[in-house]
Amino acid sequence: DAGVIQSPRHEVTEMGQEVTLRCKPISGHDYLFWYRQTMMRGLELLIYFNNNVPIDDSGMPEDRFSAKMPNASFSTLKIQPSEPRDSAVYFCASSLTGVSQEKLFFGSGTQLSVL
Amino acid sequence: GEDVEQSLFLSVREGDSSVINCTYTDSSSTYLYWYKQEPGAGLQLLTYIFSNMDMKQDQRLTVLLNKKDKHLSLRIADTQTGDSAIYFCAVSDSSYKLIFGSGTRLLVRP
Repeated sequence: DAGVIQSPRHEVTEMGQEVTLRCKPISGHDYLFWYRQTMMRGLELLIYFNNNVPIDDSGMPEDRFSAKMPNASFSTLKIQPSEPRDSAVYFCASSLTGVSQEKLFFGSGTQLSVL
Repeated sequence: GEDVEQSLFLSVREGDSSVINCTYTDSSSTYLYWYKQEPGAGLQLLTYIFSNMDMKQDQRLTVLLNKKDKHLSLRIADTQTGDSAIYFCAVSDSSYKLIFGSGTRLLVRP
């Protein structure tokens, strides 16, 4: 398996534009997580899905952020409209049965810069 | 909520042992993890320990857990330049949410 695949690797956009980040989890993994990493706040869990259903979105910072998982092999994180303070590295991760006893596999991340 | 703290930076000489420390606040933390992040990459699980264990050894890595003091440490024996990275401590109460520390940047000097 190729691991968790995220695209794009880098995204530069202007304030007010819509940004869509994409993730393909490892095949067979039931859980998918979106994290945001910044220097100031470290790694923050934004939302996670179990079997394509959002379970906990309490980490989503604002209504400008939304995430979907239309099927087991694809998820998106959308920011509309984007703001400079959204600049961060966004990681997607997946695991087989949940993090408590299984490895959490991370993608390489999307470096987002909002100008 | 849960708070996980780590020192920001550690510098060691190649061949020495490295010890990275972590403290957490929630005594109900059941699973404790160490992740490694290399430049431009995602986090990679190094090792983990259950709260009913005091120690776990895996090749050059030794994890020590002091539940009384809520202190977790990662020791890397014979540290190599390839070990230079950011190391994250993370804890979970089995609710599928991991709380990460801010990471310790390890620099290994030749």
